[in-house]
Amino acid sequence: EIVLTQSPATLSLSPGERATLSCRASQSVSRYLAWYQQKPGQAPRLLIYEASNRATGIPARFSGSGSGTDFTLTIASLEPEDFAVYYCQQRVNWVTFGGGTKVEIK
Amino acid sequence: EVQLVESGGGLVQPGGSLRLSCAASGFTFSSHAMTWVRQAPGKGLEWVSSISGNTVTTSYADSVKGRFTISRDNSQDTLSLQMNNLRADDTAIYYCAKNYAPGAGSPLFAYMDVWGKGTTVTVSS
Repeated sequence: EIVLTQSPATLSLSPGERATLSCRASQSVSRYLAWYQQKPGQAPRLLIYEASNRATGIPARFSGSGSGTDFTLTIASLEPEDFAVYYCQQRVNWVTFGGGTKVEIK
Repeated sequence: EVQLVESGGGLVQPGGSLRLSCAASGFTFSSHAMTWVRQAPGKGLEWVSSISGNTVTTSYADSVKGRFTISRDNSQDTLSLQMNNLRADDTAIYYCAKNYAPGAGSPLFAYMDVWGKGTTVTVSS
């Protein structure tokens, strides 16, 4: 099983600041990695797939990068609606999710 | 509008059974593999099971293998999850999701681009 480790567990930032979230895989997943956003009481929403492709309707302030074992989700300038939990997910070997990073208002 | 609506959740005793359903609309259901993902209270996401569009191929997480059965009815655009011998650690919100598998790789193990709102399963005596 490929284990995805996300860091930090919690990120405390203010609106307008840049958010950088990390996801590290226990073995290479090439570029087969996605990022999801989940707000309280809601289902997850696909943000990024294939490491760097934005899903339909996702604002340009969200960007993904990386390959192999190290990946980053960047939110260029946090909007109030961006405070949520973010998960990474790989599809190389079955499907596994990371433990999540909570982006909270500082 | 592409939509997934889950139903069938509820309170069940340990060892009991429950059948979840997911009604799909707004897309060609039979063309897409589908997945169940669950989320225990206050925890992260856990992949449970996936099924191919033509129903031929299924896959399960080790935690549910032998107890859960995924199926689909392409004539009714419905996905199902039969859950037997339920345990307390099966307590979770269960989401059905539409698979998205661009480029190479198995369509069974994919990203999930449409999600339902979820249905809650509570296993407790």
